[in-house]
Amino acid sequence: NAGVMQNPRHLVRRRGQEARLRCSPMKGHSHVYWYRQLPEEGLKFMVYLQKENIIDESGMPKERFSAEFPKEGPSILRIQQVVRGDSAAYFCASSPRLGYGMNTEAFFGQGTRLTVV
Amino acid sequence: AQTVTQSQPEMSVQEAETVTLSCTYDTSESDYYLFWYKQPPSRQMILVIRQEAYKQQNATENRFSVNFQKAAKSFSLKISDSQLGDAAMYFCAYRSPNTGNQFYFGTGTSLTVIP
Repeated sequence: NAGVMQNPRHLVRRRGQEARLRCSPMKGHSHVYWYRQLPEEGLKFMVYLQKENIIDESGMPKERFSAEFPKEGPSILRIQQVVRGDSAAYFCASSPRLGYGMNTEAFFGQGTRLTVV
Repeated sequence: AQTVTQSQPEMSVQEAETVTLSCTYDTSESDYYLFWYKQPPSRQMILVIRQEAYKQQNATENRFSVNFQKAAKSFSLKISDSQLGDAAMYFCAYRSPNTGNQFYFGTGTSLTVIP
């Protein structure tokens, strides 16, 4: 069972371009979480999705940022018209639904480091 | 939303010594899950240890153990016989089964291990 796969690992975009970050959760996981991390800082929650539904997007800027987790395929975090301040590491995590005896933790991908030049 | 507080931005420990990282959380729930994650320089988030709130016994994983004080809402991580490879950022996390399975993370503690 492969872990959480994020791609690309590194992404360079010019100001004004679009960035698409992909996350394939672990097999059987129905919950996906996106976090942003600036250098030397902690994880900042962005959005929590289940298949075809956004459950909590309270941490995601209302403009330029969007996320989806379609019925088929990976979860996508999309940043339109990127600015230098968007440069950060973006982590995706997945987990199964909570149930007694099941794994309860979030499993993380290796992150996508976005650099806006 | 629940809050998780790590009051120690940085800690250091001598190699082979013991260090304790603190974590407190705020919740009105009785059933929940707590975790410690490690993020080394590679930036990969690695689960160190987990604790179910309904279990009174403190979790242990080799050199890592927790002191879970439910009434005090405290969940500290003890690292014994510290090794150079333990140097990393450590994050405490809370998961609620009631607020949509959401995870809440603390701001992290950067641990330095001194040879």
